Amino acid sequence: SQQGEEDPQALSIQEGENATMNCSYKTSINNLQWYRQNSGRGLVHLILIRSNEREKHSGRLRVTLDTSKKSSSLLITASRAADTASYFCGTGTASKLTFGTGTRLQVTL
Amino acid sequence: DVKVTQSSRYLVKRTGEKVFLECVQDMDHENMFWYRQDPGLGLRLIYFSYDVKMKEKGDIPEGYSVSREKKERFSLILESASTNQTSMYLCASSTYRENYGYTFGSGTRLTVV
Repeated sequence: SQQGEEDPQALSIQEGENATMNCSYKTSINNLQWYRQNSGRGLVHLILIRSNEREKHSGRLRVTLDTSKKSSSLLITASRAADTASYFCGTGTASKLTFGTGTRLQVTL
Repeated sequence: DVKVTQSSRYLVKRTGEKVFLECVQDMDHENMFWYRQDPGLGLRLIYFSYDVKMKEKGDIPEGYSVSREKKERFSLILESASTNQTSMYLCASSTYRENYGYTFGSGTRLTVV
C-alpha cells in the first residue's frame, strides 16, 4: 500500500524558476523524506524532516511539513537543468519506508 | 564513499528460470530492502530485513523470496521468473543509528522473456 502520494505527476519549468511539489500521506508518521531519481538510476536521499519540525532547509531545497493536513511540500529554488529528475516522498520509519509514484520535474534552458 | 552495490545493471532471463539479485552494502546498516519500480506504480516494497537471518514481507512478496546470511548482503530470489516480474529492482539500506535516510543502489533492470 502506498502511504505518500506526490503531486503534480509532472512539472515543467524554465531554468531559474522555482519548482514546488507536494506530498500527501494517510497515517501518522515519524518523519518524511524526499528523494531524487535521475533517469534509470537509484534514488538519492535529499532531506529528512521529523514529525515535530515544520520547515527545513538544505541549500536550494526547502521542505515544509503540516502534520494536521498530512502533507509536505518540497521547494527547489532557482532551478537548474541538472535538477531534471523524478522526486519522491518517503514516509515511515528506518525499518520500513513507502513511496508514492513521484513527480517528474523537467527543467528547460 | 559509502554505497549499496547491486551486482547487475541489466539482466535478461527466461521464463521459469530461478533468478538471484544480489545487493551488498558497506555501511554496517542493520536494515536492508528490496523494492520494485514500475511506471505508474512507483516503488513497491517486496521484502525487508532488519537483522541477519531476519526477513519481513513487504507489500508485494508473492513470487519472491530473500536471503540474508550476512549483515552486508541481501539477496532477492525469483523462484520461477515470469514475464510480469520484468521490472526495475532497487536495493536499499538504512540504520537506526542516524536519521540520514535510505541509501539506494543503482538498480537492476530485469527483463524476463
